[in-house]
Amino acid sequence: QSALTQPRSVSGSPGQSVTISCTGSSSDVGDYDYVSWYQQHPGKAPKVLIYDVTKRPSGVPDRFSGSKSGTTASLTISGLLPEDEADYYCSSYAGSYTFVFGPGTQVTVL
Amino acid sequence: EVQLVESGGGLEQPGGSLRLSCAGSGFTFNNFGINWVRQAPGKGLEWVSAISGDGRTTDHADSVKGRFTISRDNSKNTVYLQMNSLSAEDTAVYYCAKGGFYDVRGYFSWLFDHWGQGALVTVSS
Repeated sequence: QSALTQPRSVSGSPGQSVTISCTGSSSDVGDYDYVSWYQQHPGKAPKVLIYDVTKRPSGVPDRFSGSKSGTTASLTISGLLPEDEADYYCSSYAGSYTFVFGPGTQVTVL
Repeated sequence: EVQLVESGGGLEQPGGSLRLSCAGSGFTFNNFGINWVRQAPGKGLEWVSAISGDGRTTDHADSVKGRFTISRDNSKNTVYLQMNSLSAEDTAVYYCAKGGFYDVRGYFSWLFDHWGQGALVTVSS
């Protein structure tokens, strides 16, 4: 049950794009197309932004997009807005009802 | 509307026990797995435990294996997390989260699609 790897922080100016990487292993990200991304604002419960690597739940803006190559998944936020400043976590299904998370990435809008 | 409501958090001494509950509504409860995810103060999310919809399959993170037990009572639409031998490292907000959904084609997606508001567990003397 090794954690996924994410950068601790990324930043960008309003309107710019930022990409957060999420590296796992052949037992999780590399084995399943069930990577999901969560946004968490301080004091709030996480909210799903992306699931099944690339899908967006209804209500999530298309500024958020996901991708995967091998054992690395990525979340791209296009057209940064001030309200995008939050912590972002990747997660992968790892079989038999188990999941693994990344350590989280703090996104700062400059 | 899917809702998950945790209860049972509080202050416990090291070595003590607590039981968290997660009451679900707005979905066919026994069709879906439920997870516990925790977040220590100022730290990231950590998957803790999972249980299948019928309760036959469970698993726990290595950090809690042998101390925590997940169970469910589908007649009460409730999942439980029994936490024994608590230590300061178990201090966290504990969220229950629904573990996925079926789309219109019957395809199942594995994710945490709905979350509760969280229950704070503090282990301290």
